[in-house]
Amino acid sequence: EVQLVESGGGLVEPGGSLRLSCAASGFTFSRYWMSWVRQAPGKGLEWVANIKEDGSEKHYVDSVKGRFTISRDNAKNSLYLQMNSLRAEDTAVYYCARYDGSPRSFEYWGQGSLVTVSA
Amino acid sequence: DIQMTQSPSTLSASVGDRVTITCRATQSISTWLAWYQQKPGKAPKVLIYKASTLESGVPSRFSGSGSGTEFSLTISSLQPADFATYYCHQYNSYPVTFGGGTKVEIK
Repeated sequence: EVQLVESGGGLVEPGGSLRLSCAASGFTFSRYWMSWVRQAPGKGLEWVANIKEDGSEKHYVDSVKGRFTISRDNAKNSLYLQMNSLRAEDTAVYYCARYDGSPRSFEYWGQGSLVTVSA
Repeated sequence: DIQMTQSPSTLSASVGDRVTITCRATQSISTWLAWYQQKPGKAPKVLIYKASTLESGVPSRFSGSGSGTEFSLTISSLQPADFATYYCHQYNSYPVTFGGGTKVEIK
């Protein structure tokens, strides 16, 4: 059974940093692109970042470029999102998702981790 | 960036109704479109991918159609478990984007 479990969310002040983790199990982690998708309270879904199987290729939504870094450790079956210079508008539930790309897109999702940016 | 516009944003319907949600892209995405269902406090669940392919385990009352810039999701006979929010999503090109969502409410 595929499982994705996020951790690391919490309350942080504007300008602060936070690192999210996602522990993957039930599939060969190193064979899949992985993603972060977020959802602000009461709002829709927004893709944040993708990373290739071996970490050699990364993509980001413009609003987080230069502030967020996606990474992975295939030996630990783990995905990460380092978030710096956080803003109030980054407040959201952050989902880890397995990205297939073809023919599917986001096939499996974690339960989400809430990040709140507030003074 | 490709923008995805869903309509309606809210839909009130009764059990047994046939409902259709539409999604329009600002440029052609071929059939690189997926539909997700999300219930409050839960992660999204994929229903349809490649515009019309039903995900394994998803009831056959769900169907998707379209290509290019116009797409639709149809629920042939609405069931109590179907009251949720639905999102379309294009994965033709980066940044991948989602529609604003359609909330299906009980009439």
